[in-house]
Amino acid sequence: NAGVTQTPKFRVLKTGQSMTLLCAQDMNHEYMYWYRQDPGMGLRLIHYSVGEGTTAKGEVPDGYNVSRLKKQNFLLGLESAAPSQTSVYFCASSNNPGRRPWGANVLTFGAGSRLTVL
Amino acid sequence: AQSVSQHNHHVILSEAASLELGCNYSYGGTVNLFWYVQYPGQHLQLLLKYFSGDPLVKGIKGFEAEFIKSKFSFNLRKPSVQWSDTAEYFCAARLPSGGYQKVTFGTGTKLQVIP
Repeated sequence: NAGVTQTPKFRVLKTGQSMTLLCAQDMNHEYMYWYRQDPGMGLRLIHYSVGEGTTAKGEVPDGYNVSRLKKQNFLLGLESAAPSQTSVYFCASSNNPGRRPWGANVLTFGAGSRLTVL
Repeated sequence: AQSVSQHNHHVILSEAASLELGCNYSYGGTVNLFWYVQYPGQHLQLLLKYFSGDPLVKGIKGFEAEFIKSKFSFNLRKPSVQWSDTAEYFCAARLPSGGYQKVTFGTGTKLQVIP
């Protein structure tokens, strides 16, 4: 049982390049999230999805796009990378918070993807 | 906007000292509260959670947290820290905004335990 897997783990981009981060979960979770972690700012939600085919904006969505074509996968895209997008990106998943048992509402995180934009 | 705040950004303690990290949230209704820990070079792991019932919740590795509704707080405590507790600690909450779908995190507290 792998949990949440993110690829790639590291990537260096030049300004203006595009790339996609892949998140895959094998727990049959309905909800998936993309966060970015920056020093002194904690984790900020970029986009999230409450089910296959649905996505929604979080706190800092600008410059990012997402897709959830399959329940187990949640892709984060950068169309034109900027130095301000240098960060560590974490994917997480959980079950529907409206469903019991409540303990299933906990987020399970991936190992992170470190992105540097030059 | 509904939010989660952590007031201690960096805490340095000696081994065996007691720990209390503050967390406050800005909504007065039903909330689901969490503490996550990130050890150096690792991803976030759940320490403990509160959904309802007993406001004193116990988590892994001797950590506990107390939900005080009147103070909008969910402080993390440990009676005696160890060097292995050196990590960054995040308070988080599912708030009513967006139907509890989103999990909002505080800015984190870096704990350094000196042997």
